[in-house]
Amino acid sequence: EAGVTQFPSHSVIEKGQTVTLRCDPISGHDNLYWYRRVMGKEIKFLLHFVKESKQDESGMPNNRFLAERTGGTYSTLKVQPAELEDSGVYFCASSTRRKGWQTQYFGPGTRLLVL
Amino acid sequence: QKEVEQNSGPLSVPEGAIASLNCTYSDRGSQSFFWYRQYSGKSPELIMSIYSNGDKEDGRFTAQLNKASQYVSLLIRDSQPSDSATYLCAVTVFGYAGGTSYGKLTFGQGTILTVHP
Repeated sequence: EAGVTQFPSHSVIEKGQTVTLRCDPISGHDNLYWYRRVMGKEIKFLLHFVKESKQDESGMPNNRFLAERTGGTYSTLKVQPAELEDSGVYFCASSTRRKGWQTQYFGPGTRLLVL
Repeated sequence: QKEVEQNSGPLSVPEGAIASLNCTYSDRGSQSFFWYRQYSGKSPELIMSIYSNGDKEDGRFTAQLNKASQYVSLLIRDSQPSDSATYLCAVTVFGYAGGTSYGKLTFGQGTILTVHP
């Protein structure tokens, strides 16, 4: 069974540009989460999807961030326009809706650097 | 006050010793507690979960939970150099939506553990 994958692994962009991060959850996992870790801080929750529906966006920093989950499969997180403070590691995690749903499996992360 | 607090370390222990990692949390409504291990540049990997007061053992790892004190710990027995990593404590409050149970994780900053030969 393939794990959670994220693309790209690294991204370096200039302030004001747009970046789109992609997450492919484990096949069949209805729950998909985005988290972010900025330098020196703890990993923080951004948002949660159940299938294609956003259930909790309470962690999204501002309206420059837009997340989608097409057809309940992969998800994208777009930052537009990017600011310096958006730099960090963006993690995606997924979990099943069945037994063991408490366990979230994390992807390798996308390291974003905004210059 | 941070929601989940951990000593950032680094915690250094000799090979074969017991490593003790601690975590406190502020939300009394927290229902599940997790320890993740993260190697440098890698994704967090779940190593222990605990849901009720007491101890839970899995191999060399023991998680301890005390909800009254809002405290959770992780003991690693017979520590090995391969255990050297950042250990993240995370807590969650469950929700239910769209016919699915879920829980967003609240993490501590992590404790860096170094096991030296």
